[in-house]
Amino acid sequence: DAGVIQSPRHEVTEMGQEVTLRCKPISGHDYLFWYRQTMMRGLELLIYFNNNVPIDDSGMPEDRFSAKMPNASFSTLKIQPSEPRDSAVYFCASSFEGTSTDTQYFGPGTRLTVL
Amino acid sequence: GQQLNQSPQSMFIQEGEDVSMNCTSSSIFNTWLWYKQDPGEGPVLLIALYKAGELTSNGRLTAQFGITRKDSFLNISASIPSDVGIYFCAGQPSNSGYALNFGKGTSLLVTP
Repeated sequence: DAGVIQSPRHEVTEMGQEVTLRCKPISGHDYLFWYRQTMMRGLELLIYFNNNVPIDDSGMPEDRFSAKMPNASFSTLKIQPSEPRDSAVYFCASSFEGTSTDTQYFGPGTRLTVL
Repeated sequence: GQQLNQSPQSMFIQEGEDVSMNCTSSSIFNTWLWYKQDPGEGPVLLIALYKAGELTSNGRLTAQFGITRKDSFLNISASIPSDVGIYFCAGQPSNSGYALNFGKGTSLLVTP
């Protein structure tokens, strides 16, 4: 039974480049969350979707960040242009309202390094 | 989002010892959750609490939802080396929709 799948697992890029992170939620889940984890700030919610519709993007740091969910099985988080301070681990999580939206299942994360 | 205060920040204990960590908030939460994160992995849910005063166990883990709805604790009894990791509390504020706020984590090291 596949969990949340994220790709790539590691990304190293240079400042100014565009970065795209990908997520495949658990099949049948109707909520998808993007988080960022850093030593300084811990786990922060960036944005979440319900049935592919963005519900709350108040955690998105600035206009350089954008997220899309074109269908129920795929979401992207894009950073353009990337900056060194964007270096962090980015997690995708999904949940199903039918059981409990609190039970969020996390992917393994993408470790982003911006040089 | 609402910042949770989690303590201690780290713990270094011997195998067999009991462990206790807690989280507090200045606001009321509807739900408290405890996650564990292993190196290079995403957080994994350990225990979920939904009612004030609720006490729930999962093997050697026990967690409680504080009666004021502003705090929660997690206990681990008879620790073993595989308990090593970072433990996070998370809460769902009453006005947050489905968003979770996370504590900064408690790093647990267990020596054999």
